[in-house]
Amino acid sequence: GENVEQHPSTLSVQEGDSAVIKCTYSDSASNYFPWYKQELGKRPQLIIDIRSNVGEKKDQRIAVTLNKTAKHFSLHITETQPEDSAVYFCAASFGYALNFGKGTSLLVTP
Amino acid sequence: DTGVSQDPRHKITKRGQNVTFRCDPISEHNRLYWYRQTLGQGPEFLTYFQNEAQLEKSRLLSDRFSAERPKGSFSTLEIQRTEQGDSAMYLCASSYRSSRGLNTEAFFGQGTRLTVV
Repeated sequence: GENVEQHPSTLSVQEGDSAVIKCTYSDSASNYFPWYKQELGKRPQLIIDIRSNVGEKKDQRIAVTLNKTAKHFSLHITETQPEDSAVYFCAASFGYALNFGKGTSLLVTP
Repeated sequence: DTGVSQDPRHKITKRGQNVTFRCDPISEHNRLYWYRQTLGQGPEFLTYFQNEAQLEKSRLLSDRFSAERPKGSFSTLEIQRTEQGDSAMYLCASSYRSSRGLNTEAFFGQGTRLTVV
């Protein structure tokens, strides 16, 4: 599959601050962009996703933006809480499957 | 837990041995995926089934790897002549695609952690 680049690889924020994770993709055919949260030793779990016909989607403290022209999409978490600490993966569809970024380890300190 | 289940959760094997993992997807899901995840990396696509048909395989997938989904329900992933580089977490995921082409999200299992010694 095509590459998905994700930045930063680690992110430390104070409780209540916002966190932003950015991803770029190379496959112009990608049309589905999910974000997964993975806590240590647990399965990846979908937190939000966006399809290519939409530029922004929000679900409570989490939002995702997509710029198809520039081939980049971002995850925004507002009012971060310690339980938001985890590894976050972006992904872009290719064919029937997903290409994942390498992950961002988010630490929210009280 | 009525989600995707995988068995075993952990497997330690000696180099050169064969191993087989099982995945039971969410019952109504017609799509099943296998991914591999190593420490500090995102899941890497291995192969994909639509019902019982294996429709796509990663070009990175060695011929020592084979997957089946004989009745369109559970799936098995077999690794023959294991190597130390095969040590990883093997994740299964499933989703549903309707006849109208609408897809649900992919739900992941807990994974099988393989250690080759």
